[in-house]
Amino acid sequence: NAGVTQTPKFRVLKTGQSMTLLCAQDMNHEYMYWYRQDPGMGLRLIHYSVGEGTTAKGEVPDGYNVSRLKKQNFLLGLESAAPSQTSVYFCASSRRLDETQYFGPGTRLLVL
Amino acid sequence: EDKVVQSPLSLVVHEGDTVTLNCSYEVTNFRSLLWYKQEKKAPTFLFMLTSSGIEKKSGRLSSILDKKELFSILNITATQTGDSAIYLCAVEALSKGGSEKLVFGKGTKLTVNP
Repeated sequence: NAGVTQTPKFRVLKTGQSMTLLCAQDMNHEYMYWYRQDPGMGLRLIHYSVGEGTTAKGEVPDGYNVSRLKKQNFLLGLESAAPSQTSVYFCASSRRLDETQYFGPGTRLLVL
Repeated sequence: EDKVVQSPLSLVVHEGDTVTLNCSYEVTNFRSLLWYKQEKKAPTFLFMLTSSGIEKKSGRLSSILDKKELFSILNITATQTGDSAIYLCAVEALSKGGSEKLVFGKGTKLTVNP
């Protein structure tokens, strides 16, 4: 099992560009999450999904969109990147909300 | 506004010492409290606590929750250099709309010197 994988590992964008971060899990988990981590801020939940075809807002959803067309994939989109979105993005998945969340290795995004 | 506060923000100890990390929280509709260890990259799950007074233990690590006083502690005994990491506390709660939310503290950076 690969667990949770994220692509790309690192990306540089110019302000206004768009991109999609891909998260994939092979554990048949229902729940998937996107977090961002910034220095001194801890992890903050952006969006999450409770199953295929569903999405929900987290703590900091503005400027991001997500989709869960297939159970194993959770996509995070930035329609018009801003420097404030420079961060490290982590994806996680869990079988149930009250069970262990397994994290991917992270994607480092720099918006110039 | 929901918040999770961890203390201390950083801690430096010697191998063999025992450390206690603190996490206090103020949230509406508390569901659970989670502890994570973050080394170089992604956090790894340590404990989930939902009931007061019941200690969870894994090797040299243990944790307990006090839902009356709204805090949790994470203890590490006989520390080793491999325990050096950032320890994150997160609280799961229900937001106003009834959906789940996970609120993280800023973490405690633990450095264990040989």
